Amino acid sequence: GAVVSQHPSWVICKSGTSVKIECRSLDFQATTMFWYRQFPKQSLMLMATSNEGSKATYEQGVEKDKFLINHASLTLSTLTVTSAHPEDSSFYICSARTRARRLHEQYFGPGTRLTVT
Amino acid sequence: GESVGLHLPTLSVQEGDNSIINCAYSNSASDYFIWYKQESGKGPQFIIDIRSNMDKRQGQRVTVLLNKTVKHLSLQIAATQPGDSAVYFCAENSDTDKLIFGTGTRLQVFP
Repeated sequence: GAVVSQHPSWVICKSGTSVKIECRSLDFQATTMFWYRQFPKQSLMLMATSNEGSKATYEQGVEKDKFLINHASLTLSTLTVTSAHPEDSSFYICSARTRARRLHEQYFGPGTRLTVT
Repeated sequence: GESVGLHLPTLSVQEGDNSIINCAYSNSASDYFIWYKQESGKGPQFIIDIRSNMDKRQGQRVTVLLNKTVKHLSLQIAATQPGDSAVYFCAENSDTDKLIFGTGTRLQVFP
């Protein structure tokens, strides 16, 4: 149980275009979803927290207009990287949490590799 | 804030030996500490967690030790196997219910 999927697993886009990444909880309802970014050989950095039906809360230094997050249902959150640039190339990972489990338990997706050319 | 490393420290062990991976955490108010394993190109995988009111917890082949006095966490892996090769991250559940990840340690297991 507690499976989280991401789509796509990898994507290449041209500079200036937008790309959408989906995060789905497959067998549970995710009241909260988190989006992380991970650069090579570095740790996971939290970008934003989204609760179903409300606006996402962004971490300091993360541009909310550039990284649009939508958590429209209890099983789906999307991250849209708008006007992508090469420096946005990274590994994006989502995680999901449910009220049915302990608050610190997050279930991670497999990640999406974004390459901006 | 988040902990970001410029490079990953590496621990090399021989197959069958025990591994000890260390982590320093920052927030005295964190109530849970978690160890994750991340294989190349994949998301983090939960290994074991420990509550702040405990100092030791054991799982299958793994043991987590918590020393709150010096804000130190360690993961011990018994009889390390090639499949244990990965990057290991500690994380603390902050008082805002966010996970703050440590810098990570790459574990390399050689025959």
